[in-house]
Amino acid sequence: QQPVQSPQAVILREGEDAVINCSSSKALYSVHWYRQKHGEAPIFLMILLKGGEQKGHDKISASFNEKKQQSSLYLTASQLSYSGTYFCIANFGNEKLTFGTGTRLTIIP
Amino acid sequence: NAGVMQNPRHLVRRRGQEARLRCSPMKGHSHVYWYRQLPEEGLKFMVYLQKENIIDESGMPKERFSAEFPKEGPSILRIQQVVRGDSAAYFCASSPDRGPYEQYFGPGTRLTVT
Repeated sequence: QQPVQSPQAVILREGEDAVINCSSSKALYSVHWYRQKHGEAPIFLMILLKGGEQKGHDKISASFNEKKQQSSLYLTASQLSYSGTYFCIANFGNEKLTFGTGTRLTIIP
Repeated sequence: NAGVMQNPRHLVRRRGQEARLRCSPMKGHSHVYWYRQLPEEGLKFMVYLQKENIIDESGMPKERFSAEFPKEGPSILRIQQVVRGDSAAYFCASSPDRGPYEQYFGPGTRLTVT
């Protein structure tokens, strides 16, 4: 049931764009996106709700395709501070969150 | 406006001892979640609690682990007779209500079992 993310890792130069994908084998009620830097707590970025409502960060956007049970996170004009591991997190209709496999993003100057 | 607080930040225990991890949710939040993270892995859900109630403990090992969230005071994750495999980072998160709300994570407690 763990959502699968792609790519597993990506290296970008500062200013480049990135897309991180998240696929679930089970119907999603909502998708959360978090970023975690090494040794730190995950930080909330975005929630996408079934039906299209979206709550989150104004510099990062995301999409949620309910039919395909997929979500994508879009990072534009990446900054050094964007480095970290990104997790999509599935909510299947209860309060429990199931973390995805993770995508390690490295931004280089 | 304090965030989620966890203590201790680092805890070292010998095999067979007990570990007690504390979590104080954000002000106004009555829902607490505990997660465990092994090195180089994502967080894995353990248990979800409201004040005085365990709502979902499907991710908690059936033996040695217990959690509570009393009416007064922090939530406590208790691990009895720790083993080396319990070494991990334990994060708690809180949210204002049940449902698809963002969860705010504490800084974590890093447990090392020697």
